Amino acid sequence: TQLLEQSPQFLSIQEGENLTVYCNSSSVFSSLQWYRQEPGEGPVLLVTVVTGGEVKKLKRLTFQFGDARKDSSLHITAAQPGDTGLYLCAGPMDSSYKLIFGSGTRLLVRP
Amino acid sequence: DAGVIQSPRHEVTEMGQEVTLRCKPISGHDYLFWYRQTMMRGLELLIYFNNNVPIDDSGMPEDRFSAKMPNASFSTLKIQPSEPRDSAVYFCASSTGAGTYEQYFGPGTRLTVT
Repeated sequence: TQLLEQSPQFLSIQEGENLTVYCNSSSVFSSLQWYRQEPGEGPVLLVTVVTGGEVKKLKRLTFQFGDARKDSSLHITAAQPGDTGLYLCAGPMDSSYKLIFGSGTRLLVRP
Repeated sequence: DAGVIQSPRHEVTEMGQEVTLRCKPISGHDYLFWYRQTMMRGLELLIYFNNNVPIDDSGMPEDRFSAKMPNASFSTLKIQPSEPRDSAVYFCASSTGAGTYEQYFGPGTRLTVT
């Protein structure tokens, strides 16, 4: 069974700090996606990583896909209150169009 | 372009009543997904359609749940009869397919069954 485990579950930091959240699996994924969900809204796609070792940057957010395509990380530099939300990683299940979602990291950035 | 549209945004109903949730996917997207999100279980896939045909309904919790997609621009998720444990946020998402797994979510329907 394919599973995605995210850590930490909760993170509360001060504005300006850096942080990294992780998404790990024992299974190989053809790609992984990161979504951010704000309270009262649906998840919004941030990025898709496809190639092992790939690094993608989105302003202050840096996403990395592990060499073996079993894990991914999201690093945020100089976090801002607008970064507050639930960060979810997701990957396709068994090459179908179904996505498995991790349980998420709930981030709070305090002003 | 309009994103995925869901209605209603909030629904409060009494146990035993029928509930119908509605979704309009992004035009041109061939895949439609229904999810349920709770604090305890996170985001769970209930069912998904491809070109209006149900492909996988293994996530539908029980016979009280049913979903239809009569055409490419409309889908419903029905719960009959509803129970308090069905209280959750229900999301609809759509995707182009075509080799990409990226999904676009609607704002969700928060369902409370009392």
